[in-house]
Amino acid sequence: KAGVTQTPRYLIKTRGQQVTLSCSPISGHRSVSWYQQTPGQGLQFLFEYFSETQRNKGNFPGRFSGRQFSNSRSEMNVSTLELGDSALYLCASSLGGIGEKLFFGSGTQLSVL
Amino acid sequence: SQQGEEDPQALSIQEGENATMNCSYKTSINNLQWYRQNSGRGLVHLILIRSNEREKHSGRLRVTLDTSKKSSSLLITASRAADTASYFCATATTSGTYKYIFGTGTRLKVLA
Repeated sequence: KAGVTQTPRYLIKTRGQQVTLSCSPISGHRSVSWYQQTPGQGLQFLFEYFSETQRNKGNFPGRFSGRQFSNSRSEMNVSTLELGDSALYLCASSLGGIGEKLFFGSGTQLSVL
Repeated sequence: SQQGEEDPQALSIQEGENATMNCSYKTSINNLQWYRQNSGRGLVHLILIRSNEREKHSGRLRVTLDTSKKSSSLLITASRAADTASYFCATATTSGTYKYIFGTGTRLKVLA
């Protein structure tokens, strides 16, 4: 069974640009959640999607958005990039019930210059 | 902050020794999970303990949970160099949300 796939692995952008990250979950998993990881803040929850619906959202500005497609693949978009958006962005998939274990992708390392 | 806390933040031990790391959290939980992260990579699930369990074992891992103190500990016995990684606890709350609150992590270094 293939694992969670995130693309691209690395991204370099400049301030003001926008970026789209992609996540393909494990086959059969309907939940995809996104996390931002920085050295100072640890893992911060961004949002979670289940069957194309956002079920939960973290405390991030509206510049951060996401969506999920009918095949459960998910994308995350960050508009008007700021230097502080530099981070490792991780997605995780699960079956979708409360407390299910998460399966993580390798992440996308975003650097904003 | 909702974030859980782990201590120590960093731990350095010799191969063969045991490593213990602790996690404290703030809310009522459905379960608590431990994950490992190798440098710059995704997290890997290690073990899950439910709120009505007090102790659980998996190979060289032992997890305890004290819901009255809102704390958990992870013990890795007979550590190996390959155990070098960051370890995170994550709590699934009972509030009906679908997000997990991660601790700040413990960086473990096992010296050969």
